[in-house]
Amino acid sequence: SQKIEQNSEALNIQEGKTATLTCNYTNYSPAYLQWYRQDPGRGPVFLLLIRENEKEKRKERLKVTFDTTLKQSLFHITASQPADSATYLCALGDHKLVFGAGTILRVKS
Amino acid sequence: DAGVIQSPRHEVTEMGQEVTLRCKPISGHDYLFWYRQTMMRGLELLIYFNNNVPIDDSGMPEDRFSAKMPNASFSTLKIQPSEPRDSAVYFCASSLAISGNTIYFGEGSWLTVV
Repeated sequence: SQKIEQNSEALNIQEGKTATLTCNYTNYSPAYLQWYRQDPGRGPVFLLLIRENEKEKRKERLKVTFDTTLKQSLFHITASQPADSATYLCALGDHKLVFGAGTILRVKS
Repeated sequence: DAGVIQSPRHEVTEMGQEVTLRCKPISGHDYLFWYRQTMMRGLELLIYFNNNVPIDDSGMPEDRFSAKMPNASFSTLKIQPSEPRDSAVYFCASSLAISGNTIYFGEGSWLTVV
C-alpha cells in the first residue's frame, strides 16, 4: 500500500543552523511533491511544490530536493530562526493529496 | 480574499448527537476537500468535490459521515450519530486545480464528542 514516512521524532536545532527534514515514500510515482507548514491550532500552509522532473527548488531560505529513484525528498531551512519552529508536512499525489504525519521542528535561540 | 472559512471553530457535543461542520471555500476554486486530523492517524482525506460534485469519498470512515456541496460557495460535513472516536480537527480546503496545485486550508473545526 502507499506510504509516506517522515521523521516521527522532533528535530531540535540551534538558531542559525540548517534544518534538514526527510520525506520517504513507497508505492507512489508522484508527479508532484509538496511541503506544508503547520503551526499549533492552525491549518497547514503551503510552502513549496517540486515536480518529478525537477531535482531542486528554492524559495528564500527554503530548499527542497526530490529524488524519484530513492523515493525521497529533503527539505532544508538555512539560517534557521525560532520563528521556523512548527510541524512540517510533506504531501504527495496527483488528484488526491496525501500527507505524511509531519516532523516537529524546534529552533532554539 | 478571506481564505477558506470554517465554522464552528470549536464544538463539544454529547455522544449520539448530530454534528454539522460548515465550509466556505475561496471564491473561484474548483475543488473542495474535507480532511480529518488526529494524533494517531495524522491528516486524512475524507472526501473531495469538483465543481460541487463528489469525486472520491473513499476516505469517509462510515455511513455516519456525509458531505454535501449544494453550491460553489458552501459545503457541509455531517456526523450522525457522533461517537467519541470522531473527536478530531476537521479541515476544509480548496484549490484551483487538482493536480500539482496549492491547497488552501481553513483554520479547522475542533470537535470533541463526550
